[in-house]
Amino acid sequence: GEDVEQSLFLSVREGDSSVINCTYTDSSSTYLYWYKQEPGAGLQLLTYIFSNMDMKQDQRLTVLLNKKDKHLSLRIADTQTGDSAIYFCAESPGGGATNKLIFGTGTLLAVQP
Amino acid sequence: KAGVTQTPRYLIKTRGQQVTLSCSPISGHRSVSWYQQTPGQGLQFLFEYFSETQRNKGNFPGRFSGRQFSNSRSEMNVSTLELGDSALYLCASSQPGQGDEQYFGPGTRLTVT
Repeated sequence: GEDVEQSLFLSVREGDSSVINCTYTDSSSTYLYWYKQEPGAGLQLLTYIFSNMDMKQDQRLTVLLNKKDKHLSLRIADTQTGDSAIYFCAESPGGGATNKLIFGTGTLLAVQP
Repeated sequence: KAGVTQTPRYLIKTRGQQVTLSCSPISGHRSVSWYQQTPGQGLQFLFEYFSETQRNKGNFPGRFSGRQFSNSRSEMNVSTLELGDSALYLCASSQPGQGDEQYFGPGTRLTVT
């Protein structure tokens, strides 16, 4: 079935690295995404990775993909208080035939000053 | 480029009424998807429209419907509102082929009393 899992909460100190993990289900997903949601706001696309890649780096963000284990992670280097938000991973099942996204439950990242 | 816009931002309705929400995609984007976000169920896919055709539909009752116009703007309608329909309704637009990056609007917060 369609079930993307994430841990619910992560607390880090400012300046440390944060690692948010996600397990997805559909091996045919062409792209996997990370979104950020701040209170009262919509979803902001942070980054995405194509399924034939195993790593993608974008400034402070590093995405790792283990396709065999269907495991995706997002590492945020030098975490800042402004990074405090809910982070969602999402898969796009169906091999790209539609834009339907299946989202995880979201991980609340709390950054302590 | 202007982002995805949604109107209205906030809405209060009573049970049994109907409601229409509007979404204007990013200029040039032809795909619009709708999602419902609630604390209990998280982010759930409602439907996707591409070139005025519904391309995919989530597991929601027939009270939820949508359409897309020739200028790619989309509306969703919920008839016979129930208390459980209270949620943040998000739309996302994308231009297929560009990594399927989906950009979300700020959402419409619907409260049903």
